[in-house]
Amino acid sequence: RKEVEQDPGPFNVPEGATVAFNCTYSNSASQSFFWYRQDCRKEPKLLMSVYSSGNEDGRFTAQLNRASQYISLLIRDSKLSDSATYLCVVTPGYTPLVFGKGTRLSVIA
Amino acid sequence: SAVISQKPSRDICQRGTSLTIQCQVDSQVTMMFWYRQQPGQSLTLIATANQGSEATYESGFVIDKFPISRPNLTFSTLTVSNMSPEDSSIYLCSVETAEENTIYFGEGSWLTVV
Repeated sequence: RKEVEQDPGPFNVPEGATVAFNCTYSNSASQSFFWYRQDCRKEPKLLMSVYSSGNEDGRFTAQLNRASQYISLLIRDSKLSDSATYLCVVTPGYTPLVFGKGTRLSVIA
Repeated sequence: SAVISQKPSRDICQRGTSLTIQCQVDSQVTMMFWYRQQPGQSLTLIATANQGSEATYESGFVIDKFPISRPNLTFSTLTVSNMSPEDSSIYLCSVETAEENTIYFGEGSWLTVV
């Protein structure tokens, strides 16, 4: 089983839609969780950290389920500018980070 | 946050040659890393660049192929030696900021080996 697994997509959704991605991880000792966003031919950029209690940042909500070893990202009211690849990242509490292969999202007008 | 500058941003290289990528950070950071992202793949850690000592390489990566220097807390270089087309990839420098416990990436160096 791969350390971090994501559905590669692509997810093609209309503007205004709500879309959710899941990511599973194999290392139960993982302590820190993140979602990064990577635009085409650009470097990854931190979107948000994922906390045990869940956290929200505007239209974005991240959840962690330790029992089932997955994290999720929910995007509400999708914008064209949300089109990107979303990378799930976990770490056992110290670097280095372990990256998933990413989920591609295309928001369509 | 940290501002990271990488040079070159892209290059086309001949098979068998070597290329050195530079990474400059605008502040002192403890941890610096080099990642590779091959086409259609996720990021893979090459090594942790240690200031004043040899880098710590991940499985599958060796110093002879990817020599790394880190003379101080704001600068590192990665050399891709004796390049082959399989080395065509994006090479990314990243740093961890202690205050934020967050990883930031440079803009990457796009390398094509012909």
